[in-house]
Amino acid sequence: SQELEQSPQSLIVQEGKNLTINCTSSKTLYGLYWYKQKYGEGLIFLMMLQKGGEEKSHEKITAKLDEKKQQSSLHITASQPSHAGIYLCGAHSGAGSYQLTFGKGTKLSVIP
Amino acid sequence: DGGITQSPKYLFRKEGQNVTLSCEQNLNHDAMYWYRQDPGQGLRLIYYSQIVNDFQKGDIAEGYSVSREKKESFPLTVTSAQKNPTAFYLCASSIGLVKNYQPQHFGDGTRLSIL
Repeated sequence: SQELEQSPQSLIVQEGKNLTINCTSSKTLYGLYWYKQKYGEGLIFLMMLQKGGEEKSHEKITAKLDEKKQQSSLHITASQPSHAGIYLCGAHSGAGSYQLTFGKGTKLSVIP
Repeated sequence: DGGITQSPKYLFRKEGQNVTLSCEQNLNHDAMYWYRQDPGQGLRLIYYSQIVNDFQKGDIAEGYSVSREKKESFPLTVTSAQKNPTAFYLCASSIGLVKNYQPQHFGDGTRLSIL
């Protein structure tokens, strides 16, 4: 079965600093999703990547997909306290599959 | 506003009791899902449904049951057979067209605890 490994598991940064979170798959990626979760709440959809080399941005968050490495990265520029939370990546279990497999998440803390 | 509503937010279960978690969506999505989230373990799929009156087991279906009688609703019952039900339960839905991958949208979750 597919596994998604996220690194780092947790991250503490000073406000204004840049940071990167990685998500590596054990198998071929078919659609890669990034979500954000605040403790005790649901997941908020951030971005979806489908094609190798694809890059998407939303406000100060940029996600990239490296199909060859079976890896995606999420980069936050000039972090703010509002960026704090748990970031999860998810990917389809196979081509044509409804099921998503999720990584265990990266907990981000931003110190003012 | 369209979205997914889960209720209740907090739920307590006694020994030997079945409890039902509600999930309603008004997004007109065909597919719906139930996940369980435990600390440090990420999300694990319990059941999913691609269409009304049809559902499939996920990775950890034992001790759970679901129904999909209406497109908008996908309730999850945690039965007494589930020996470790304490967790955060998340319901999600998606358009259901796998040809063009579509994101799953999540509710705010239900936290279930044992009394």
